[in-house]
Amino acid sequence: DGGITQSPKYLFRKEGQNVTLSCEQNLNHDAMYWYRQDPGQGLRLIYYSQIVNDFQKGDIAEGYSVSREKKESFPLTVTSAQKNPTAFYLCASRGRGTNSPLHFGNGTRLTVT
Amino acid sequence: GQQLNQSPQSMFIQEGEDVSMNCTSSSIFNTWLWYKQDPGEGPVLLIALYKAGELTSNGRLTAQFGITRKDSFLNISASIPSDVGIYFCAGQHGSRGETSGSRLTFGEGTQLTVNP
Repeated sequence: DGGITQSPKYLFRKEGQNVTLSCEQNLNHDAMYWYRQDPGQGLRLIYYSQIVNDFQKGDIAEGYSVSREKKESFPLTVTSAQKNPTAFYLCASRGRGTNSPLHFGNGTRLTVT
Repeated sequence: GQQLNQSPQSMFIQEGEDVSMNCTSSSIFNTWLWYKQDPGEGPVLLIALYKAGELTSNGRLTAQFGITRKDSFLNISASIPSDVGIYFCAGQHGSRGETSGSRLTFGEGTQLTVNP
């Protein structure tokens, strides 16, 4: 079945360490997105990529980095510069055309202590 | 980034009751989407709306794209316990011919609790 796979489901790290969250899609979608979700809040856009080897900052990009070397993959690195990294991270993708809705993965819950 | 005003923030209802929630924006959107999120999972698309005035149903769910293009509502009829979750609206400014990179703006969600 086609879909978006985020791994791992739960991730624990010590403060000061960088950590990379994986996102893979087999939907042949051009655009991919990373969102952050905190309790009781909506989704905030971190980074997005419309095409391979290109990506743009979202609303809260500071302390994060991404790469888009392959169409299927859009990994997110949470760096030690991110002041409050503990959150639920959601990856999403969309196909071409304005009527193509956003499809989400099942998220990675990152806890930094 | 811009936020949509979604209300109510939370709802506590009895099984069998109808539910209504809405989103408003100060700017015009060309697409409205409604998602449901179960605890610890990613949001799942419920209904997509592409034309002002459009009224679309998906089972017990009905959503409308406001005539002004600045608002949308979602109704759930005869609620059941599995309707529990967070419901998000999302608006998109993109116009015809624009690439898939158009960004969505999300509301802050409506937490729905259904008591059996």
